[in-house]
Amino acid sequence: AQKITQTQPGMFVQEKEAVTLDCTYDTSDQSYGLFWYKQPSSGEMIFLIYQGSYDEQNATEGRYSLNFQKARKSANLVISASQLGDSAMYFCAMREWNNDMRFGAGTRLTVKP
Amino acid sequence: DGGITQSPKYLFRKEGQNVTLSCEQNLNHDAMYWYRQDPGQGLRLIYYSQIVNDFQKGDIAEGYSVSREKKESFPLTVTSAQKNPTAFYLCASSIRGASYNEQFFGPGTRLTVL
Repeated sequence: AQKITQTQPGMFVQEKEAVTLDCTYDTSDQSYGLFWYKQPSSGEMIFLIYQGSYDEQNATEGRYSLNFQKARKSANLVISASQLGDSAMYFCAMREWNNDMRFGAGTRLTVKP
Repeated sequence: DGGITQSPKYLFRKEGQNVTLSCEQNLNHDAMYWYRQDPGQGLRLIYYSQIVNDFQKGDIAEGYSVSREKKESFPLTVTSAQKNPTAFYLCASSIRGASYNEQFFGPGTRLTVL
């Protein structure tokens, strides 16, 4: 069963503006982790940010923040002050305890100058 | 420098041939994974291994085989039974078990069947 849903196949944002990439997940576990990865056209997967299910505060890493709404089972990625180099595929992923990681279908972000 | 290496970066194969993709890590991770990615799609799990000499099928294991004889190495063989093997293959590793450990990825191998 699909556990990670990314409903936006593609998104556009103007340079220097903020953008939110949506992610919802499904789990019955209490302990799990949520991750966002960036995949540029070169194909490498770059880890961006992590949110634990027990973390009370939203995770932040530089220009990346994770808007975690546990009751709604959503973990949206917010990129502030978009740069041209942010254009890439973005994947949301979840890892349950002692389990493998599951990925969403991804969102292609294009930053316009 | 710790990391994951995959070789080759590009691989061409004739239909009906088996081919083996290499994945090596020096991160001392117990768990290793193989994913397949088709153009514009997400990652699908082929096989994973939590410990040496043990591995489990993922969602799309048919037509693939793996071995885990050493902690550092997790090669993937794409057999002639795989009907549509042209894809981008990513290897990853992580610390075993805990949900807070991210996966580290190699640079990937692009396989094209001619």
